[in-house]
Amino acid sequence: QVQVVQSGAEVKKPGASVRVSCRVPGYTLTDLSIHWVRQAPGKGLEWMGGFDPEYDEMIYAEKFQGRVTMTEDTSTDTAYMELSSLRSEDTALYYCATDVAVVGAVPAFGLWGQGTLVTVSS
Amino acid sequence: VLTQSPGTLSLSPGERATLSCRASQSVTSSYLAWYQHKPGQAPRLLIYGASSRATGIPDRFSGSGSGTDFTLTISRLEPEDFAVYYCQQYGRSPLTFGGGTKVEIK
Repeated sequence: QVQVVQSGAEVKKPGASVRVSCRVPGYTLTDLSIHWVRQAPGKGLEWMGGFDPEYDEMIYAEKFQGRVTMTEDTSTDTAYMELSSLRSEDTALYYCATDVAVVGAVPAFGLWGQGTLVTVSS
Repeated sequence: VLTQSPGTLSLSPGERATLSCRASQSVTSSYLAWYQHKPGQAPRLLIYGASSRATGIPDRFSGSGSGTDFTLTISRLEPEDFAVYYCQQYGRSPLTFGGGTKVEIK
């Protein structure tokens, strides 16, 4: 059973940054298109960004441009999502999502991590 | 923009559920997916490519549509099907999710 493993819950103060990690044990990042989706309390799913293998670049939702950075460490096959200038509205469950059956294109998300709760509070 | 309707669907087990997803512009190559989301769980992919069932998804779930209008049909609701359902387009950036349809027990 393929799993997606994310880092643990975080509590941050307003204005700080948070970094969440994501791994798919048994798979290399070069074979995956990792994306990040969040869900704030009582809200729907919101795509934040991810890797587009067709253009070999990270793509971001306009809402997060300038505040989010998504990176990949190929030496450890770990993807990271860093969100800066945190505010209370960023309190949410952050998911890493991908699919191992699709190579070379953005996939529908057949695999999801367990979610990482980020709480922003003073 | 993806607009889902209705916002809430109140039905009984055994009934048929029809969920709609309308896009503001044509979805590239029918790259339209449907997900089921229950509290405390990660979303679950049901349908990709507008009409292909994901691995392990029961055949009571079916997807149809093209262009700007898509439908998820659950032929006979089972107790475990009561959840929130989202459509998503993944054919072009930015990827987008619809606002969701909650299927609740009547």
